[in-house]
Amino acid sequence: SQQGEEDPQALSIQEGENATMNCSYKTSINNLQWYRQNSGRGLVHLILIRSNEREKHSGRLRVTLDTSKKSSSLLITASRAADTASYFCATDPISNDYKLSFGAGTTVTVRA
Amino acid sequence: DAMVIQNPRYQVTQFGKPVTLSCSQTLNHNVMYWYQQKSSQAPKLLFHYYDKDFNNEADTPDNFQSRRPNTSFCFLDIRSPGLGDAAMYLCATRTEGVTEAFFGQGTRLTVV
Repeated sequence: SQQGEEDPQALSIQEGENATMNCSYKTSINNLQWYRQNSGRGLVHLILIRSNEREKHSGRLRVTLDTSKKSSSLLITASRAADTASYFCATDPISNDYKLSFGAGTTVTVRA
Repeated sequence: DAMVIQNPRYQVTQFGKPVTLSCSQTLNHNVMYWYQQKSSQAPKLLFHYYDKDFNNEADTPDNFQSRRPNTSFCFLDIRSPGLGDAAMYLCATRTEGVTEAFFGQGTRLTVV
């Protein structure tokens, strides 16, 4: 079974707006990662946050992690049409080395 | 430039006819993954290797097998494909430690 759930399932925003998506997971984790997938392609890593970190930034991306609530959020600021994609969180559980499991994903559409 | 290469990109197979998908990597990573992704769903982990150590997910059907003859190559064998096995199959690699995964472009399998 998949590790996490994401919400919303789909998000449609105007170019320049911010996009926020959330991920919840079930077991204790070593780290949490976010990936992007353009239609019909492989996944591309965006950002990784360790279990002892609470917030991380990379360019227009901001990730938060709340291990007490077993949840994470990804914020994309000043969105662009090229950000149109599906976004997935993935977790490494503490109990199993390298078992990288994905959440359900959020499909983001950025309108020009 | 491609670091994780999946062949072929598109595969059509007949119902019940064994099929093999391949993955190769130039990164010398010791962890390799196979995921199944159906339309609008999250990637579902089928199995992963840490070096030669094979980790099968409990809900991966017996119809799916894998081989990793060396660090660079990994194969997914579907012994008797059914219509429900039509999906995108994604290979990924990773080095040990708290690290990101690198994905291939995927093989889209059609069962006729």
